Amino acid sequence: DIQMTQSPSSLSASVGDRVTITCQASQDISNYLNWYQQKPGKAPKLLIYDASNLETGVPSRFSGSGSGTDFTFTISSLQPEDIATYYCQQYDNLPPAFGPGTKVDIK
Amino acid sequence: QVQLQESGPGLVKPSQTLSLTCTVSGGSISSGGYYWSWIRQHPGKGLEWIGYIYYSGSTYYNPSLKSRVTISVDTSKNQFSLKLSSVTAADTAVYYCARYIVVVVAATPRKYFDYWGQGTLVTVSS
Repeated sequence: DIQMTQSPSSLSASVGDRVTITCQASQDISNYLNWYQQKPGKAPKLLIYDASNLETGVPSRFSGSGSGTDFTFTISSLQPEDIATYYCQQYDNLPPAFGPGTKVDIK
Repeated sequence: QVQLQESGPGLVKPSQTLSLTCTVSGGSISSGGYYWSWIRQHPGKGLEWIGYIYYSGSTYYNPSLKSRVTISVDTSKNQFSLKLSSVTAADTAVYYCARYIVVVVAATPRKYFDYWGQGTLVTVSS
């Protein structure tokens, strides 16, 4: 099975800050990677698919990049409503696997 | 707008079988290109994919749970179900049902979970 890791596990930033999260796969997954946002008590929501494509309706301050084993998720200007946990998920191989998550908080 | 809703007991005794149903509305479970999934989240932890089923009945389970999991589909009711046998406290989690879309765009596969239920907490305790 492909294992996913994320760093950091949590971060605290100020409103307006640029926030970057990294995700690493245990083997080459091309660009077969999605990013989800999960707010407390809610189901995850798809933000980015295929590593860098923004889901319809998602604000443009969210972006993703990378391929192979190393990926990056960025919030260009952190907003209060972005407080959530963010997960990467690979779909190159079954089973689809999620990273452990990165909790983003406001400083 | 597709909606998914989990239902089932919130409390299950150790060694018994956990049973949940997901009712799909706003779309047909028999539509091609969608795999109907179960995902769980232990309290304060990350997401664990349990398995999925296609409307035809074909399934794939996470190897880590395969010996205890059964997912079935009832197309007439637009529902799919999860059974997890021999549960222990380690199976206490929020269980989500979700739609996994599988499409091919320009000869490239694209797969993601696009619709989720709200989740239901299942506690395993005597």
